[in-house]
Amino acid sequence: AQKITQTQPGMFVQEKEAVTLDCTYDTSDQSYGLFWYKQPSSGEMIFLIYQGSYDEQNATEGRYSLNFQKARKSANLVISASQLGDSAMYFCAMGRNTDKLIFGTGTRLQVFP
Amino acid sequence: ETGVTQTPRHLVMGMTNKKSLKCEQHLGHNAMYWYKQSAKKPLELMFVYNFKEQTENNSVPSRFSPECPNSSHLFLHLHTLQPEDSALYLCASSRRGDRFNGYTFGSGTRLTVV
Repeated sequence: AQKITQTQPGMFVQEKEAVTLDCTYDTSDQSYGLFWYKQPSSGEMIFLIYQGSYDEQNATEGRYSLNFQKARKSANLVISASQLGDSAMYFCAMGRNTDKLIFGTGTRLQVFP
Repeated sequence: ETGVTQTPRHLVMGMTNKKSLKCEQHLGHNAMYWYKQSAKKPLELMFVYNFKEQTENNSVPSRFSPECPNSSHLFLHLHTLQPEDSALYLCASSRRGDRFNGYTFGSGTRLTVV
């Protein structure tokens, strides 16, 4: 069975600093994708970044990068130069392509001035 | 209008009521999903529709009844709910196989069962 684990219920970071949000996963599939989503207080889930299991390079999207360590089954999200608007819940998810994504319990990030 | 739109944003209903949640997308996506988000729990996948056909029912109680009349619209019909069904219900859509863009989610319907 597939499983996503996010062990950090909450994280604090000062504005302009970098922060790493942890995600580990378990799957028996050889081909899979890993996703990160942001959920502000408005409730909408916003897609941030995707990493394929066969991608050799870590994915990057602007200030977001994914530290993918396949052997350790981890897919940590790194946010550089944090901004106050980054305060939100962050969810790690996994699935084959976009089929039936399963999500972790999330990490609440708070950015302070 | 672009994106995924969910209505209503908030709903309070009694246990004997019948109500429906609506989801609409104008992104040309061909897959739509219902998720339930309860406090301190992972998002739970409820239903998956691909090209209007239901391809996944994740052991959801029959008091939740989905309907997908076309690839742009998805409904969740609710009847005789329980207080533990109170949650945020999120609709999402995707272009099947387009992993690079993930899901597009709506803002959700906050459901309270009294």
